[in-house]
Amino acid sequence: SQQGEEDPQALSIQEGENATMNCSYKTSINNLQWYRQNSGRGLVHLILIRSNEREKHSGRLRVTLDTSKKSSSLLITASRAADTASYFCATAPMNTGFQKLVFGTGTRLLVSP
Amino acid sequence: DTGVSQDPRHKITKRGQNVTFRCDPISEHNRLYWYRQTLGQGPEFLTYFQNEAQLEKSRLLSDRFSAERPKGSFSTLEIQRTEQGDSAMYLCASSPWDYNEQFFGPGTRLTVL
Repeated sequence: SQQGEEDPQALSIQEGENATMNCSYKTSINNLQWYRQNSGRGLVHLILIRSNEREKHSGRLRVTLDTSKKSSSLLITASRAADTASYFCATAPMNTGFQKLVFGTGTRLLVSP
Repeated sequence: DTGVSQDPRHKITKRGQNVTFRCDPISEHNRLYWYRQTLGQGPEFLTYFQNEAQLEKSRLLSDRFSAERPKGSFSTLEIQRTEQGDSAMYLCASSPWDYNEQFFGPGTRLTVL
């Protein structure tokens, strides 16, 4: 079963705009990761934030984590048509001896030129 | 290409037939994972190998499913007596022992008629 939910399920924006997607999860975690999936393809890792971190940046990506609310957000700034994809958050639950990832339901992002 | 590879990329089979998928992880990655992804959902964990040892299996992995990693390198996932509900994308991922990020292959899309 899915660990959490992502919001919105779908997002449509114009190139140059920012895109924000949110993820909520249910259990205590070691870390939270964001992955991108182009249509019908495998997943690509974007960024990882540990449970003791509150914010992390990587290029045009900014991730926040609020463990008290069990939620995270991914911000993509100055979006491009190539950012069109599905975005998934994935949590590594606490007390797992390995990195079993539990994925959310995903946000489908469409960036129009 | 030194990424994770999966074969075949697409498989169409009739209900009741057996199918086998192969995953070649990134060389020297100790950990190997199988996930299943149905349309519009995030990937769901199926099983995990550390070297040749299968350390965890999800309840999703019924008795009709078997996975092996005989020499700690490539892995196979076999589904016996396929059912229409088995139609999904089967994703393989690998990671080094002490690394949080998982590297995904392109997936095998199974269609059971």
